[in-house]
Amino acid sequence: GQQVMQIPQYQHVQEGEDFTTYCNSSTTLSNIQWYKQRPGGHPVFLIQLVKSGEVKKQKRLTFQFGEAKKNSSLHITATQTTDVGTYFCAGSGGQGNLIFGKGTKLSVKP
Amino acid sequence: KAGVTQTPRYLIKTRGQQVTLSCSPISGHRSVSWYQQTPGQGLQFLFEYFSETQRNKGNFPGRFSGRQFSNSRSEMNVSTLELGDSALYLCASSLASGYGGMAGELFFGEGSRLTVL
Repeated sequence: GQQVMQIPQYQHVQEGEDFTTYCNSSTTLSNIQWYKQRPGGHPVFLIQLVKSGEVKKQKRLTFQFGEAKKNSSLHITATQTTDVGTYFCAGSGGQGNLIFGKGTKLSVKP
Repeated sequence: KAGVTQTPRYLIKTRGQQVTLSCSPISGHRSVSWYQQTPGQGLQFLFEYFSETQRNKGNFPGRFSGRQFSNSRSEMNVSTLELGDSALYLCASSLASGYGGMAGELFFGEGSRLTVL
């Protein structure tokens, strides 16, 4: 079945450093979504990418969708302590349901 | 607008028992999905319901079942509980119907944390 792989599993950064998490699918995706889950909280939607090669920005966050629609990345510039949490990518492979990656847990040292 | 409501928030069961979890989606949302979240496995898809029909199902044993009512509220049931069923069970609702295989934005509830002893 469809699988979504996400790396790295953990990332520890110093405040002010950049952070990137990568997502790869075994199949072509209809769309990809990104979610953030704060410690003790539930996943919250960040963004959706639909088009091949699409790039979207939200302040310090940059999201990319690969040309083949099989991979995606989230890049955070100059991390802050408020960025702490687990970032999940989730792909929609054609059945209409979302398959989540295992997430990247980001910790930021002030 | 009220968010997704899940009950109970916490529960403790023993092996062999069964459990029923409830989810009330955001008003107007007809799609409800269930996920199991564990530290090692992340968010694993259980099933999705749309207009009372199970539209998609993940790779879980038949002990895991669910249903959706005409008011879009959903329940999931786990029978013959095992230690490995201890997890956070998240319900998410969506406005989109998944037309064309494209899932819509999910709105998650706070989850039901199940501990099996």
